[in-house]
Amino acid sequence: AQRVTQPEKLLSVFKGAPVELKCNYSYSGSPELFWYVQYSRQRLQLLLRHISRESIKGFTADLNKGETSFHLKKPFAQEEDSAMYYCALKNTDKLIFGTGTRLQVFP
Amino acid sequence: EAQVTQNPRYLITVTGKKLTVTCSQNMNHEYMSWYRQDPGLGLRQIYYSMNVEVTDKGDVPEGYKVSRKEKRNFPLILESPSPNQTSLYFCASSLSILSYNEQFFGPGTRLTVL
Repeated sequence: AQRVTQPEKLLSVFKGAPVELKCNYSYSGSPELFWYVQYSRQRLQLLLRHISRESIKGFTADLNKGETSFHLKKPFAQEEDSAMYYCALKNTDKLIFGTGTRLQVFP
Repeated sequence: EAQVTQNPRYLITVTGKKLTVTCSQNMNHEYMSWYRQDPGLGLRQIYYSMNVEVTDKGDVPEGYKVSRKEKRNFPLILESPSPNQTSLYFCASSLSILSYNEQFFGPGTRLTVL
């Protein structure tokens, strides 16, 4: 079955520390993956998509088909990165979301 | 301003009293979708629509109905709400479901069913 797993509910780091939010997927086929972010009192919004191989707000994510992972990374966390992060997998005509990881960046 | 709007933003109701949550987008998007967000469960898709008059069940459609009579509107209907439908609901739209098309989300509707 197609599934997205985010094993960490909460990740707490200090400002300037590296961050890695884990995402593993289960999909029979060529996966299309996304990271969405929800800042406090704001709408859920797209952060990045693997097909674009882009870096947004210092975040990157590399698709590793061997490990079926799409971890989100940032070398130096900022306080404004504190938010809820969702990994999502496109399955034919819908998106399957993980359960989300809350990132807390302390000053 | 390009956006997805939902109404109402907050609603407290009682079991069995029919309600409708409206969703509207002004971006001429073909694809629209409803999700519910619950602690520990993330976002789960309720229903989606690929275009006008085309709707399909998502992962948790039980207890919900939708319609897509016009491109811009995609209301979510709870014919007989129950307490287990207490949740935060999000509507989203995108140009299509193609991979490069971002989904735009509404602000959310917090529903409490007593």
